[in-house]
Amino acid sequence: SAVISQKPSRDICQRGTSLTIQCQVDSQVTMMFWYRQQPGQSLTLIATANQGSEATYESGFVIDKFPISRPNLTFSTLTVSNMSPEDSSIYLCSVGGTSGRGTDTQYFGPGTRLTVL
Amino acid sequence: GENVEQHPSTLSVQEGDSAVIKCTYSDSASNYFPWYKQELGKRPQLIIDIRSNVGEKKDQRIAVTLNKTAKHFSLHITETQPEDSAVYFCAAQKGNTGFQKLVFGTGTRLLVSP
Repeated sequence: SAVISQKPSRDICQRGTSLTIQCQVDSQVTMMFWYRQQPGQSLTLIATANQGSEATYESGFVIDKFPISRPNLTFSTLTVSNMSPEDSSIYLCSVGGTSGRGTDTQYFGPGTRLTVL
Repeated sequence: GENVEQHPSTLSVQEGDSAVIKCTYSDSASNYFPWYKQELGKRPQLIIDIRSNVGEKKDQRIAVTLNKTAKHFSLHITETQPEDSAVYFCAAQKGNTGFQKLVFGTGTRLLVSP
């Protein structure tokens, strides 16, 4: 499967600031996604990152709060804007449509643990 | 939209016993059902998946069964080992006509005691 990396792996931020998380894949993939996982909880899809166009957001998530970029088939960023302590969570990117697998199979990056003070 | 329920929320077994985790889904159009294992502090890892054209799939000590009529699927782990201890998530997805999102269950914390 594809090798997926995320930067930063963790960060501690002050409320009101913004953090941009990067997701890099070592091969071209069809689909890229961003999830949030709050402590002890399941995974919630934030949005689908579309290459060359605006991301598709899930209910409860908006572009102003979570702007997403996907300039090519191997890279995406998620920005958490104007952070509050409620944004403290693990943010994970995932990819689908890797070589040899269908677009329905998703693999996850290592995650970014965000703490907002 | 799709809704996935997962039971139990926690499961404790003795090493060598079998463990079964069950999920139900609501959208009869869903046709892809992966299972992920997440160890503490690690990413979710795909351990097995099944598509709606088969009823059972096995990979060594892990098996998944699917009952499309009842809209439920289950993960079976035989001869459990302490390293099987983790949180397991099921998920459901519609496919074919463009990409559809994965909807995850709430997770099962499996503890295997030596």
